[in-house]
Amino acid sequence: DQQVKQNSPSLSVQEGRISILNCDYTNSMFDYFLWYKKYPAEGPTFLISISSIKDKNEDGRFTVFLNKSAKHLSLHIVPSQPGDSAVYFCAASANTGNQFYFGTGTSLTVIP
Amino acid sequence: KAGVTQTPRYLIKTRGQQVTLSCSPISGHRSVSWYQQTPGQGLQFLFEYFSETQRNKGNFPGRFSGRQFSNSRSEMNVSTLELGDSALYLCASSPLSYNEQFFGPGTRLTVL
Repeated sequence: DQQVKQNSPSLSVQEGRISILNCDYTNSMFDYFLWYKKYPAEGPTFLISISSIKDKNEDGRFTVFLNKSAKHLSLHIVPSQPGDSAVYFCAASANTGNQFYFGTGTSLTVIP
Repeated sequence: KAGVTQTPRYLIKTRGQQVTLSCSPISGHRSVSWYQQTPGQGLQFLFEYFSETQRNKGNFPGRFSGRQFSNSRSEMNVSTLELGDSALYLCASSPLSYNEQFFGPGTRLTVL
């Protein structure tokens, strides 16, 4: 049973525009969320996180929004750059150590 | 600081064999987690070790096992390999519990 879902397998965006990647979860006990970026032949790289006590966290061009009532989080990348082209995974944890549940990923392509 | 290293990077085995994969975490990191990545399934959590103790375990059969040594290095073992075990196996380390994880490049296992 997939507790974290990324329903869009792929997304294409023009360079300079906003990329919005979405993630839904089913477990109301999740209270810590992360986004990772993955290039081919490499392991995922941590991007940004958010805890359930916040609804927004920013780091440069990356902003994560959390809507607890909807069990939904999103990653905004502004402005998008060709180097952002990668697979993005969201992950969630319920404060049980490092047991994270990952989504299936969204492949982002930023078109120059 | 050196990143997470995994050996070997590629492995080909036949059904029924067993395999051992190795992971060296970032120096000072005490938590090591293992994930299986297959197309369409995202990253599936296998188990997490912290200070040589298995702290969390995912929903995988008993053929999948692991251990952690006193220097935090970890191994995972898969016995009686099946075709469906073909996947990318990722190891991740973190300094404490409930933290973002740093991933290695993975071991690509192919079972023929």
